[in-house]
Amino acid sequence: DQQVKQNSPSLSVQEGRISILNCDYTNSMFDYFLWYKKYPAEGPTFLISISSIKDKNEDGRFTVFLNKSAKHLSLHIVPSQPGDSAVYFCAAGVYNTDKLIFGTGTRLQVFP
Amino acid sequence: SAVISQKPSRDICQRGTSLTIQCQVDSQVTMMFWYRQQPGQSLTLIATANQGSEATYESGFVIDKFPISRPNLTFSTLTVSNMSPEDSSIYLCSASTPGSNEKLFFGSGTQLSVL
Repeated sequence: DQQVKQNSPSLSVQEGRISILNCDYTNSMFDYFLWYKKYPAEGPTFLISISSIKDKNEDGRFTVFLNKSAKHLSLHIVPSQPGDSAVYFCAAGVYNTDKLIFGTGTRLQVFP
Repeated sequence: SAVISQKPSRDICQRGTSLTIQCQVDSQVTMMFWYRQQPGQSLTLIATANQGSEATYESGFVIDKFPISRPNLTFSTLTVSNMSPEDSSIYLCSASTPGSNEKLFFGSGTQLSVL
């Protein structure tokens, strides 16, 4: 049972445009959500997070939106840059457990 | 933040052998975890490495196959025992630090291929 799902395995976006990556979850106990970026041959690196008490968190070009009723979150990158090309994982967890459940990842390619 | 050193970075092993992966964190650590990423799949949690006691395994993972040690706060090992080609995967060590607010730091991973 996949508790965290990323239904789009890949996404291709032109430089300067908006990238929108989506994630759905099934476990209503999750109250903390994170996005990670992963380059080949490297470990995932933290990008941005949001707790369930918020519906939006912004950090520079990156914004995460949370829709609790739909059990859906999304990551917006604007403007997209070629250096953003990587695999993006969403992750969910319960606060104070530090244990995260990851989605299957979306490979983002930003082309000039 | 934390820097996690993981080794080896990659290995090619024969069926039936075992490989031990080491993970060292450079700062104070709250929790340590081991994940697996099979080709084209998600990062799957194998176990939580507990200092000085047996690791806590997730469903589908057992101590006999994946023995884990954590002799001190900042060091842990994962052994993949009696390997088969199905164990070919990336194995990732991760850790949380005080005040990291649920954010995990990851090592660069061990790419394991079993022939």
